[in-house]
Amino acid sequence: QVQLVQSGAEVKKPGASVKVSCKASGYTFTSYDINWVRQATGQGLEWMGWMNPNSGNTGYAQKFQGRVTMTRNTSISTAYMELSSLRSEDTAVYYCARGAGYNDYWGQGTLVTVSS
Amino acid sequence: SYVLTQPPSVSVAPGQTARITCGGNNIGSKSVHWYQQKPGQAPVLVVYDDSDRPSGIPERFSGSNSGNTATLTISRVEAGDEADYYCQVWDSSSDHLFGGGTKLTVL
Repeated sequence: QVQLVQSGAEVKKPGASVKVSCKASGYTFTSYDINWVRQATGQGLEWMGWMNPNSGNTGYAQKFQGRVTMTRNTSISTAYMELSSLRSEDTAVYYCARGAGYNDYWGQGTLVTVSS
Repeated sequence: SYVLTQPPSVSVAPGQTARITCGGNNIGSKSVHWYQQKPGQAPVLVVYDDSDRPSGIPERFSGSNSGNTATLTISRVEAGDEADYYCQVWDSSSDHLFGGGTKLTVL
C-alpha cells in the first residue's frame, strides 16, 4: 500500500533552518510529483511547492521563494523540504503529499516549532 | 491572483444533506478537488476532478462544478462526517490553491 512517512517533530530557533523528510513506499517514487503543504494551528492548508522526483524540477509558491528548497534521493525514495530563516510564523505542521493536480496520499505530518 | 472562497461553517442534522460551496471566478473551467480533515489527522482526498471519488470513499460524497461555484455534497450525513473540508484547484498564477476551509458540524 502507498505510504508517505515523514520525519519527527523539530524545535528550532528563529533564524535556523529545518529539513523535513518524506519517505515513499508502495509505488514508483519517480512516477508522481511530491507537494509540500503546511498548516499552522487552527488555520487552513497552505501550499508551499512541488517537486518532480524524476527530473528534480521544482516549483515554489511565491511566498516561500528564496527560503524553501525541495530535493530528493531517488535511491531511497525520499523527498526533502528545507525551510531557512525560520521565524515564529513558520510554526506549523508540514505535510508531504503525492500527486500533481490533486493529492491522493499524504504523509502523517511533521510539527515544526520555532521558538527562542 | 486567484481566490477560492468557502463558508467558514456549515451545520446539518444527521441523515440530512450537507452542501459545501467553493467560489471562484469561472471555477467551472477548472478541476476542483476536495479534502476532508479530521482533528489531528492529515487531509484525505474525497473528491477529485470535480466529481470523481477515490476508492474507499462512500458514494454519499459527490461533487459538482459550474460557473463560479463548485459544490461538495454529502448525503445522509453521519456523525463521522464532522470535519473540516477544503477545496483545491490548480491555477496558472497560483499553482496549488486551497480554499479557506469549511467546518462541517453534525448537530
